[in-house]
Amino acid sequence: NAGVTQTPKFRVLKTGQSMTLLCAQDMNHEYMYWYRQDPGMGLRLIHYSVGEGTTAKGEVPDGYNVSRLKKQNFLLGLESAAPSQTSVYFCASSTLSGNTIYFGEGSWLTVV
Amino acid sequence: AQSVTQPDIHITVSEGASLELRCNYSYGATPYLFWYVQSPGQGLQLLLKYFSGDTLVQGIKGFEAEFKRSQSSFNLRKPSVHWSDAAEYFCAVGDGVTGGGNKLTFGTGTQLKVEL
Repeated sequence: NAGVTQTPKFRVLKTGQSMTLLCAQDMNHEYMYWYRQDPGMGLRLIHYSVGEGTTAKGEVPDGYNVSRLKKQNFLLGLESAAPSQTSVYFCASSTLSGNTIYFGEGSWLTVV
Repeated sequence: AQSVTQPDIHITVSEGASLELRCNYSYGATPYLFWYVQSPGQGLQLLLKYFSGDTLVQGIKGFEAEFKRSQSSFNLRKPSVHWSDAAEYFCAVGDGVTGGGNKLTFGTGTQLKVEL
């Protein structure tokens, strides 16, 4: 049982480049989330999805886009990366009740 | 809007000593509360959670937390710390609504150092 899997785990981008982070869950969860973690700031919600085909903005959505074309996948895109987007990105998924939330292992992104 | 405050950025304790990490939250309804632990370069591991019922919650690795509504607190405790407990600890509050998932707001974390 893989749980929540994030790819890639590490990536270095140049300013202005684009990339997509993939989150996959095998638990048939309705809800999926993308967070970013920065030193001294804890984790902050970027975007989330309440089901296939639906997405919503979180606390810090600017500069990111997301898509949930399949229930098991939640993609986070950076169209034009900026150094301020250097961060650790965590994906999570949860049941409808939200009682149990599973996190991925994180993706370390550096924008130079 | 919900918020979480972890007043202690760094805490150092001796191995075998007791530990209490503070967490205060702000939320209009009954909160969903979580404690996570993160080792360097690793993901988040859930220690324990509170949704309702008994206000003293037992978690993994010998941790417990007590929900005190009157103080808006959810402090994490451990009677005897082990060197392997050195890590960063995050408190989080969720806005869970029945059938509505659970968007978490995290505190800024407390870095725990354990002296041998």
